Amino acid sequence: QLQLQESGPGLVKPSETLSLTCTVSGGSISTTSYYWGWIRQPPGKGLEWIGSIYYSGRTFYNPSLASRVSISVDTSKNQISLRLNSVTAADTAVYYCARQDYDTTSELYYFDYWGQGTLVTVSS
Amino acid sequence: QAVLTQPSSLSASPGASASLTCTLRSGINVGTYMIYWSQQKPGSPPQYLLRYKSDSDKQQGSGVPSRFSGSKDASANAGILLISGLRSEDEADYYCMIWHNSAWVFGGGTKLTVL
Repeated sequence: QLQLQESGPGLVKPSETLSLTCTVSGGSISTTSYYWGWIRQPPGKGLEWIGSIYYSGRTFYNPSLASRVSISVDTSKNQISLRLNSVTAADTAVYYCARQDYDTTSELYYFDYWGQGTLVTVSS
Repeated sequence: QAVLTQPSSLSASPGASASLTCTLRSGINVGTYMIYWSQQKPGSPPQYLLRYKSDSDKQQGSGVPSRFSGSKDASANAGILLISGLRSEDEADYYCMIWHNSAWVFGGGTKLTVL
């Protein structure tokens, strides 16, 4: 059974870099059928896509965050990673990683399976 | 104006039907988009429900009951998630999503209360 597990510090200081890892088990991250994405959700608010990565390393980022975001993949560890720099309190959120399956009709990779998420608080 | 607008809340009775709307910003034609719907219960991640572009181009998520269905209202420029035969376990937040201008965009979500 596919499992996605987010991990990383739960507290980050303002102006520093948020770093999270998503470990995939029960399936290979190197499968050609999938992208892997990061989405966040501030407490009590809606969802925001951060970015996505293919096993080859090809990335897509939300334009609103692109200047501060980097997503990478480590196929040997079956992991994807997120780095978000220069964080502020507005970056406080639950961060989810998710699998993106291929929709053959729309030719898009949509979010079909999500990890449980990890809360990151930005505070001094 | 947001790309996708959802009512913040909706209430309906058990056994009734609920129609959750996702209105696209003026100038963005709902007919050209595949709309994806997810359900999120408190303390849990979102779960994919279904996607809908047209009656001939739609897909139900694995294990998702047929009580959940998608449609569109072209006159309102909106996607619709219809939930029939409401049950208490359908009480959740529901999000719509589209791929727009090379980015995934979420609606603000609708909190559905079943009472």
